Amino acid sequence: AQTVTQSQPEMSVQEAETVTLSCTYDTSESDYYLFWYKQPPSRQMILVIRQEAYKQQNATENRFSVNFQKAAKSFSLKISDSQLGDAAMYFCAYRSASQGGSEKLVFGKGTKLTVNP
Amino acid sequence: DTGVSQDPRHKITKRGQNVTFRCDPISEHNRLYWYRQTLGQGPEFLTYFQNEAQLEKSRLLSDRFSAERPKGSFSTLEIQRTEQGDSAMYLCASSLALLRRSPNEKLFFGSGTQLSVL
Repeated sequence: AQTVTQSQPEMSVQEAETVTLSCTYDTSESDYYLFWYKQPPSRQMILVIRQEAYKQQNATENRFSVNFQKAAKSFSLKISDSQLGDAAMYFCAYRSASQGGSEKLVFGKGTKLTVNP
Repeated sequence: DTGVSQDPRHKITKRGQNVTFRCDPISEHNRLYWYRQTLGQGPEFLTYFQNEAQLEKSRLLSDRFSAERPKGSFSTLEIQRTEQGDSAMYLCASSLALLRRSPNEKLFFGSGTQLSVL
């Protein structure tokens, strides 16, 4: 079974600074997707960024980028120029891309990000 | 707003009662997922539908839980004989997946139904 671990229950960052959220995962599969989701107080999960395991290039979406280390099974999220609206719970998630694998997302426990003005 | 809609937003019930939640996905989406999220945890997968067919169920989904998606539109999740351990937020998500394991499949989540079992 796949597992996702987020070792930082809480993180804080000053507005306009950069913060990195950590995520590690465990899987025996070679083909999969990794995601970062944001969950603000409104509770609605929002996709931040997605990485396909077969792609060596790290994904970027505006101020959000990832550091994907497949051999180390590490998938960290970097938020640059942090804004007050970035404050939320951030969840790392895994999804199989293997034939016969599950369609489900496996989530970590989350990291609560606070952005200080 | 034409996002994923869940009803009710909050539900308080007594142990042993039955409850039913509804999810209305984005209209053209063919997939619908149910997740459960307890305090301090990430969401856990319960089940998903491709149109009206229920294709995958988690072992978390005990016999007291049943989900339906008649006609491939809205979905209901029923919990019978609720227990205090069922207290959680129940999240619904929908997507348009043209292929199995589409790398471009994007899930859109609703705001959830918060269930409290007293």
